[in-house]
Amino acid sequence: EIVLTQSPGTMSLSPGERATLSCRASQSISSRYLAWYQQRPGQAPRLLMYGASSRATGIPDRFSGSGSGTDFTLTISRLEPEDFAVYYCQQYGYSFGGGTKVEIK
Amino acid sequence: QVQLQESGPGLVKPSETLSLTCTVSGGSIISYYWSWIRQTPGKGLEWIGYIYYSGSTNYNPSLRSRVTISVDRSKNQVSLNLTSVTAADTAVYYCCSQRGSYSPHDSWGQGTLVTVS
Repeated sequence: EIVLTQSPGTMSLSPGERATLSCRASQSISSRYLAWYQQRPGQAPRLLMYGASSRATGIPDRFSGSGSGTDFTLTISRLEPEDFAVYYCQQYGYSFGGGTKVEIK
Repeated sequence: QVQLQESGPGLVKPSETLSLTCTVSGGSIISYYWSWIRQTPGKGLEWIGYIYYSGSTNYNPSLRSRVTISVDRSKNQVSLNLTSVTAADTAVYYCCSQRGSYSPHDSWGQGTLVTVS
């Protein structure tokens, strides 16, 4: 079983700042099969990125994804108030990472 | 995107069977794969399994012995049964869609909290 480790667990930032979230896999996975989800308080997760770097429908371009092998990154270029949430990476259909909470500083 | 709505008892007794239904609207049940995912404070998000309209299924190995997912095409519904529940099965359960067996979950229901007590 591939384990996904996300870091940091929590990051405290201000609106307008840049957020860089990490997802590390215990063994190499194809970037085709790496997704990111956003979960706001009280809501279900929603798909942000698929194939590591493709934005899902309706996702603004301040969100970007990159990476390959065992190291993947989600970047939010300028944080908007609605971006403060928890972010999860996932290898399609299977394991999720433990999440990174982006909180307002 | 399809809309998904989970329903079922919010309270289940230990050792009994948890049964949930997901009603699909805005799309055909034969167009997607359908997954169940649960979320607990302790274990985070956990994929339970998926089904295709044909009845083909795939389950998380850790839950395989207790899980059954089924589909009712006439009602546009997907069901989850989890037997012999314990307090560890207390979670918010989500129904999700995916376009292929190895695809991201592109639509999610709002989730339903099930407490085992």
